[in-house]
Amino acid sequence: NAGVTQTPKFRILKIGQSMTLQCAQDMNHNYMYWYRQDPGMGLKLIYYSVGAGITDKGEVPNGYNVSRSTTEDFPLRLELAAPSQTSVYFCASTPRDRAYQPQHFGDGTRLSIL
Amino acid sequence: AQRVTQPEKLLSVFKGAPVELKCNYSYSGSPELFWYVQYSRQRLQLLLRHISRESIKGFTADLNKGETSFHLKKPFAQEEDSAMYYCALLNTGFQKLVFGTGTRLLVSP
Repeated sequence: NAGVTQTPKFRILKIGQSMTLQCAQDMNHNYMYWYRQDPGMGLKLIYYSVGAGITDKGEVPNGYNVSRSTTEDFPLRLELAAPSQTSVYFCASTPRDRAYQPQHFGDGTRLSIL
Repeated sequence: AQRVTQPEKLLSVFKGAPVELKCNYSYSGSPELFWYVQYSRQRLQLLLRHISRESIKGFTADLNKGETSFHLKKPFAQEEDSAMYYCALLNTGFQKLVFGTGTRLLVSP
């Protein structure tokens, strides 16, 4: 059981480039989330999804897009990379049928925009 | 609005000393609170949740609704406790966690 899998683990982008951060979970969880973790700033919610076909904005959605075509996958898209998006990105998931189930996290993707 | 405040960025103690990592929250509903830990080069993981009233790795945390606090405590710190600790509040309506900014605990020999 792999849990939450994120790829890639590291990436360097040039300003203006685009990329997709992949997230997959094999636990059949309904809820999935993307967070970014900036140094000394804790985690902030970018986007979340309560099920396939349903997504919503979190605290810091600008510059990002998401889609949820399947229960398993929740990719995060950066269309025009900016230096402010240099961060560590975490994907997480939670099942719907356990009201207070904490979220399961992936290992993270460290992204640098130069 | 929900908010979680961890006032200390860094807490440095000696091995064997007591530890208290502070967490205060603001939330209009009934709070569900958690402590997460991130050891060096490892993924974020749940340490404990207040509804379980459990002790994990010697850590405990009591929810104090009067003081809106959920401080994490351990009577005798160990070097392996050195890590980043995050307090988190669950928005039960949307299953979203709101994180504090974290406290780095450094336990010296």
